[in-house]
Amino acid sequence: GIQVEQSPPDLILQEGANSTLRCNFSDSVNNLQWFHQNPWGQLINLFYIPSGTKQNGRLSATTVATERYSLLYISSSQTTDSGVYFCAVEPRAAGNKLTFGGGTRVLVKP
Amino acid sequence: DSGVTQTPKHLITATGQRVTLRCSPRSGDLSVYWYQQSLDQGLQFLIQYYNGEERAKGNILERFSAQQFPDLHSELNLSSLELGDSALYFCASSVEGEVGTQYFGPGTRLTVL
Repeated sequence: GIQVEQSPPDLILQEGANSTLRCNFSDSVNNLQWFHQNPWGQLINLFYIPSGTKQNGRLSATTVATERYSLLYISSSQTTDSGVYFCAVEPRAAGNKLTFGGGTRVLVKP
Repeated sequence: DSGVTQTPKHLITATGQRVTLRCSPRSGDLSVYWYQQSLDQGLQFLIQYYNGEERAKGNILERFSAQQFPDLHSELNLSSLELGDSALYFCASSVEGEVGTQYFGPGTRLTVL
């Protein structure tokens, strides 16, 4: 099946810093979503971005489908940004089910 | 708030027991998905229902089963529970059965003792 790799696995940031998280996937996809899992375990939708660029406040994402990667940018990080960020893809060959990457664990220190 | 509700939030039970997890999708969503998040396996797709019919199956054990009712809510039944079934179980919903955003519920944390 499709492989989804996220990097880095762990990230420690000082409040106010910027960062980039990467998601590589091994095959064509219909859907790509970024999620933030907060310390209480809830999965929060950040972006639905199978291609192109989107921005939502301090967060933005870019997916280059032809090169099979997506980037999530966090600018001016805040302590509330801490948690695990997941990339999930819906393979074109096997639709309807999201395959998740291993996540990037982010800790923002005050 | 995603609009997807799951009950219960927490469940503690013993090995060998059977439990039922419940999910109500967002209003208007016809598709329901179940995912399991465990420490060793990460987040994995279990099964999808679309308008009452099973649409796709993932790594779901034979001890587990699911169904979607006419009012579109779904239940995930886990039986003969083992210690390794302890995990966070998420339900997600989307409008259609095809491409589109999946919205996740808050999850049910199952602990098997």
